[in-house]
Amino acid sequence: SQQGEEDPQALSIQEGENATMNCSYKTSINNLQWYRQNSGRGLVHLILIRSNEREKHSGRLRVTLDTSKKSSSLLITASRAADTASYFCATTKAAGNKLTFGGGTRVLVKP
Amino acid sequence: GAGVSQSPRYKVAKRGQDVALRCDPISGHVSLFWYQQALGQGPEFLTYFQNEAQLDKSGLPSDRFFAERPEGSVSTLKIQRTQQEDSAVYLCASSRNIIGLSYNEQFFGPGTRLTVL
Repeated sequence: SQQGEEDPQALSIQEGENATMNCSYKTSINNLQWYRQNSGRGLVHLILIRSNEREKHSGRLRVTLDTSKKSSSLLITASRAADTASYFCATTKAAGNKLTFGGGTRVLVKP
Repeated sequence: GAGVSQSPRYKVAKRGQDVALRCDPISGHVSLFWYQQALGQGPEFLTYFQNEAQLDKSGLPSDRFFAERPEGSVSTLKIQRTQQEDSAVYLCASSRNIIGLSYNEQFFGPGTRLTVL
């Protein structure tokens, strides 16, 4: 079974706007990651945040983690058409361990 | 260098047939994972190898599913007597297993899309 849920399930925005999606999980974690999956392509790792971190940035990506609420958010700033994809959060309980994914948010960025 | 490769990329099977899906991990990666992704869902863990040892098979949905990695490199996921509910994308991922790191990144292959008619 999946770790938790992502919200919203789908998101449609104009190019240049920001996209925000949320992820909730159920059990304690070692770290949380976000992945992107384009149609017909594999999963690509975007960013990792450890359980003792609260916020992390990478380029146009900003991730937050609230372990007390068991939730995380991913913000993509100044979105581009190429950001159109499904985004998944995934958690691990220990280093080298299996990933437990959420259900994903499908993002459509209109040019 | 080369990433994780999987073959075939697409497989259509009649219900009841056996199928074998192959994964070639990144050279030198100790850990190998299989995930199943149903349409519109996130991937779900199936099984995990460290070298040739299958350390976790808790995600395999039934005894019709079998995975092996006999030489600690290439892995095969076999599904016997396929059912319609087995239709999904099967993803393989590999990673190093560097002791002391808080996380060893998993690199995913493109997946095999299995359709059972």
